[in-house]
Amino acid sequence: NAGVTQTPKFQVLKTGQSMTLQCAQDMNHEYMSWYRQDPGMGLRLIHYSVGAGITDQGEVPNGYNVSRSTTEDFPLRLLSAAPSQTSVYFCASSYSGANVLTFGAGSRLTVL
Amino acid sequence: GESVGLHLPTLSVQEGDNSIINCAYSNSASDYFIWYKQESGKGPQFIIDIRSNMDKRQGQRVTVLLNKTVKHLSLQIAATQPGDSAVYFCAPLSSYGKLTFGQGTILTVHP
Repeated sequence: NAGVTQTPKFQVLKTGQSMTLQCAQDMNHEYMSWYRQDPGMGLRLIHYSVGAGITDQGEVPNGYNVSRSTTEDFPLRLLSAAPSQTSVYFCASSYSGANVLTFGAGSRLTVL
Repeated sequence: GESVGLHLPTLSVQEGDNSIINCAYSNSASDYFIWYKQESGKGPQFIIDIRSNMDKRQGQRVTVLLNKTVKHLSLQIAATQPGDSAVYFCAPLSSYGKLTFGQGTILTVHP
């Protein structure tokens, strides 16, 4: 049982490049979400999904897109990376709701 | 929107002592309050939660107290161990799918 798997663990991009952070869970969780964590700050919600085919915006959605075509996967896309998107990104899932989240190990993104 | 603050950004204790981590919140409409632990280089890990209609909940070595009158909650860790060293976040669940994390408290346990 792998839990929540994020790839890649590290990525360096140039301004304007695009990329996708992958997130997969094998726990049959309905709820999935993406957070970013910046130094000295807590986690901020980017996007979330309460089930396949359903997504919604969180606190800081600008510059990010998501889709949820399957229960297992919830990729986060950066269409045109900016230095302000340098951060550590965490994917999290739960059976339902957001009160007991299982987090992935994180993906550290640097945008030059 | 929700704002969450922590009274003590850092806390240092000796192994075996009890630790108390405090958290203030602003949105009284939260249904749940959750505590997460984040070790260096890892994702946050769920510790314990408490419903808004409770004022105390106990787990293994941890107790969470909720005071809705002053919008304050605390996490008490009994017999703190070096493995408890981490950043601790309180996170009110303000609406379905939206947790608001505070900036965190760094707990350091000295052997």
